[in-house]
Amino acid sequence: AQSVTQLDSQVPVFEEAPVELRCNYSSSVSVYLFWYVQYPNQGLQLLLKYLSGSTLVKGINGFEAEFNKSQTSFHLRKPSVHISDTAEYFCAVSTPSNFGNEKLTFGTGTRLTIIP
Amino acid sequence: SQTIHQWPATLVQPVGSPLSLECTVEGTSNPNLYWYRQAAGRGLQLLFYSVGIGQISSEVPQNLSASRPQDRQFILSSKKLLLSDSGFYLCAWGEGADYEQYFGPGTRLTVT
Repeated sequence: AQSVTQLDSQVPVFEEAPVELRCNYSSSVSVYLFWYVQYPNQGLQLLLKYLSGSTLVKGINGFEAEFNKSQTSFHLRKPSVHISDTAEYFCAVSTPSNFGNEKLTFGTGTRLTIIP
Repeated sequence: SQTIHQWPATLVQPVGSPLSLECTVEGTSNPNLYWYRQAAGRGLQLLFYSVGIGQISSEVPQNLSASRPQDRQFILSSKKLLLSDSGFYLCAWGEGADYEQYFGPGTRLTVT
């Protein structure tokens, strides 16, 4: 079974500063990795995903993440944050199940707070 | 384009009362469907998933149940709510090809 660890439950960052949200995973098979963002009282929106190919993945809103197989990590980065980036961020991993149906395992989330 | 709807948006129910949350998807056929619960300050917990009409898999034993009466309709139910059932319930769909899941706006359930 796979698991996801988001070490930082809360990350405060000053506006226009860079940010890195950490995600580590554990799996005995190949995985697919995702970052989702959740604004207050809303559903989740996909930021980016890694399925295969280039280990540097670019997503929406200026975010990017790098897949590091040796360190089993998929950290999310943004070079300059804005107030509007204040939200909860979830890392997730997927692996095929017995039914050929894909299930996502989520981390516990990181609350990103942008300080003006 | 595909859209996913959930209702109601918010719900306050007394302990012991029944529950029915509905999720519908438009613009796609035979999607995989999922119910998640998000407790306050915690991550997402997968409750049920379905790969087709009448096919339901439960991830966590509890007093909730799910049904899929139609291809694009997914219902979460309970006969008697517990205080611990409070939370934010999210429905999602996926086609499997790219492993991505698309989430609905959620239902906030408060059991009093």
